[in-house]
Amino acid sequence: DAGITQSPRHKVTETGTPVTLRCHQTENHRYMYWYRQDPGHGLRLIHYSYGVKDTDKGEVSDGYSVSRSKTEDFLLTLESATSSQTSVYFCANAAGPGTSGRAGEQYFGPGTRLTVT
Amino acid sequence: RKEVEQDPGPFNVPEGATVAFNCTYSNSASQSFFWYRQDCRKEPKLLMSVYSSGNEDGRFTAQLNRASQYISLLIRDSKLSDSATYLCVVNSNSGYALNFGKGTSLLVTP
Repeated sequence: DAGITQSPRHKVTETGTPVTLRCHQTENHRYMYWYRQDPGHGLRLIHYSYGVKDTDKGEVSDGYSVSRSKTEDFLLTLESATSSQTSVYFCANAAGPGTSGRAGEQYFGPGTRLTVT
Repeated sequence: RKEVEQDPGPFNVPEGATVAFNCTYSNSASQSFFWYRQDCRKEPKLLMSVYSSGNEDGRFTAQLNRASQYISLLIRDSKLSDSATYLCVVNSNSGYALNFGKGTSLLVTP
């Protein structure tokens, strides 16, 4: 059990409004990730964090920002939601690199279904 | 070229059959390889890591061919509960992030 929760699980919002999604982990894992999943695209990385206050952009970061003020929480903010941001958002965590510095296994939260109307 | 490519399927097989999925990856420097399973409207779950020498977990066998840059997953004695989408995953250039294939859909029928 990865011990990751996401809130809210479902949200409908209007175009132009800011939205914040929360990811909370009960482990003390250093790495946390935000993905979006859309039909035909698979999972795409939005942002990730490699420590408190340490974040980096992923493949599809435009229109999104993140913050990590505590090890256990990783927030994703849509600054001004657009219909193209309607998606399922998954958070994941990882203990860190595996042997030889390789990326380690990631464990996912249950997802947030976001609809922007 | 996509980082990780998979045949989307669907693969429809009867219970008890053996089925194999392949995927190819573009980054020859990749060091981490995984198979994840995703059920409909659920989160991806780690099925198994893939090691250079190949590895087995019950009915599941994973193989890695670095020279050809492909990864395979073999499922023996398929069960109805194996019906899901299987995601091939490889670490990205950044090292700590992972690239996910779009998945291969498997449907096991009675």
